[in-house]
Amino acid sequence: EIVLTQSPGTLSLSPGERATLSCRASQSVSSSHLVWYQHKPGQAPRLLIYGASRRATGVPDRFSGSGSGTDFTLTISRLESEDFAVYYCQHYGTSPPYTFGQGTKLEIK
Amino acid sequence: QVQLVESGGGVVQPGRSLKLSCAASRFTFSNYGIHWVRQAPGKGLEWVALIWFDGSNKYYADSVKDRFTVSRDNSKNTIYLQMNSLRAEDTAVYYCARDLWVGESMSFDYWGQGTLVTVSS
Repeated sequence: EIVLTQSPGTLSLSPGERATLSCRASQSVSSSHLVWYQHKPGQAPRLLIYGASRRATGVPDRFSGSGSGTDFTLTISRLESEDFAVYYCQHYGTSPPYTFGQGTKLEIK
Repeated sequence: QVQLVESGGGVVQPGRSLKLSCAASRFTFSNYGIHWVRQAPGKGLEWVALIWFDGSNKYYADSVKDRFTVSRDNSKNTIYLQMNSLRAEDTAVYYCARDLWVGESMSFDYWGQGTLVTVSS
């Protein structure tokens, strides 16, 4: 089973700043199988990035994903107020379990 | 807009059973697999189960295997999660989510708002 470790646990930034969130896999994974979600309290999680770097429909271009092998990154170029949330990476491989990282909380500084 | 609506959550005693539903609309339900994902209080997301578009294959997390059963009724556009032998650690918000395949990439592209299950005596 692939274990995903996200860092940092909490990231405190101000609107307008750049956010860099990390997701490290316990073994090499296909970029096709790395996904990022945004989750706000009381709301449904939202798909942001699939295939490590492909933005989902309607996701603003300030969100970008990159990486390969064991190290993946979600970057938010200029933070807006609605971006403060918890972000999860996920390994959705060819067989279950479809594991999530423990999440990074992005909070307003 | 794709819609998934969970229902059936509530308070249940340890060892008892509960059945959740996920009603889907505004897409061709019978073409998509559906997942269940849960979030325990103060914790992250945990994948629970997957049922294929036609119900022919089902997969479960080890933590719920042999206790939970996922099923679907394509005539009613509804997914079910039968939860037996419930434990305190099953307390969570349960989400259903649609399975999306784009080439070799898979993801959960739409999620419901969730339903809360509390296992407590």
